[in-house]
Amino acid sequence: QQQVKQSPQSLIVQKGGISIINCAYENTAFDYFPWYQQFPGKGPALLIAIRPDVSEKKEGRFTISFNKSAKQFSLHIMDSQPGDSATYFCAASMNDYKLSFGAGTTVTVRA
Amino acid sequence: DGGITQSPKYLFRKEGQNVTLSCEQNLNHDAMYWYRQDPGQGLRLIYYSQIVNDFQKGDIAEGYSVSREKKESFPLTVTSAQKNPTAFYLCASSRLRGEKLFFGSGTQLSVL
Repeated sequence: QQQVKQSPQSLIVQKGGISIINCAYENTAFDYFPWYQQFPGKGPALLIAIRPDVSEKKEGRFTISFNKSAKQFSLHIMDSQPGDSATYFCAASMNDYKLSFGAGTTVTVRA
Repeated sequence: DGGITQSPKYLFRKEGQNVTLSCEQNLNHDAMYWYRQDPGQGLRLIYYSQIVNDFQKGDIAEGYSVSREKKESFPLTVTSAQKNPTAFYLCASSRLRGEKLFFGSGTQLSVL
């Protein structure tokens, strides 16, 4: 049983467009919500993370929006570039260990 | 050059055989993890260790075993009891109760 549900499974976006990936969770004890980026044949790497005391966090073209009451959070990739083509995983944890990952979203950016 | 090294990159297992995947880190991290990645299922935690000579089962530990004799090393054995071992295996490390996981490049295990 997956504790973090992620959608969509895949998406295609034109260069310069916005990619949006959504995640939902049930466990209200989760207090840390990271996003990981994975390129084919490589391990995931931390992209950006948020805690429930803020509703939004932005790092460059990547923004996390967090809705505590709805138990949802999302990743927005602005001005998507071909180099952003990768699989993105949302995750959640309590007390900073034992991350529970979503199923992943494969993003393809068309030039 | 600090990081996590997994070997081999590709591994093939015969029926009834145990195989061991290597994971070494030089980041001086206390915690180490093993995840299994299957297409469309994300990453599932197999085992984790927060200190030498101690480890805990994750969500899918059946058919796997680990050891943590040194801080730098956390090998994973896929036993013959694991009936569906074909997957991409990822090792990770973090500071104890750290926020950021550092992942290796993974080992693809296939059954002959």
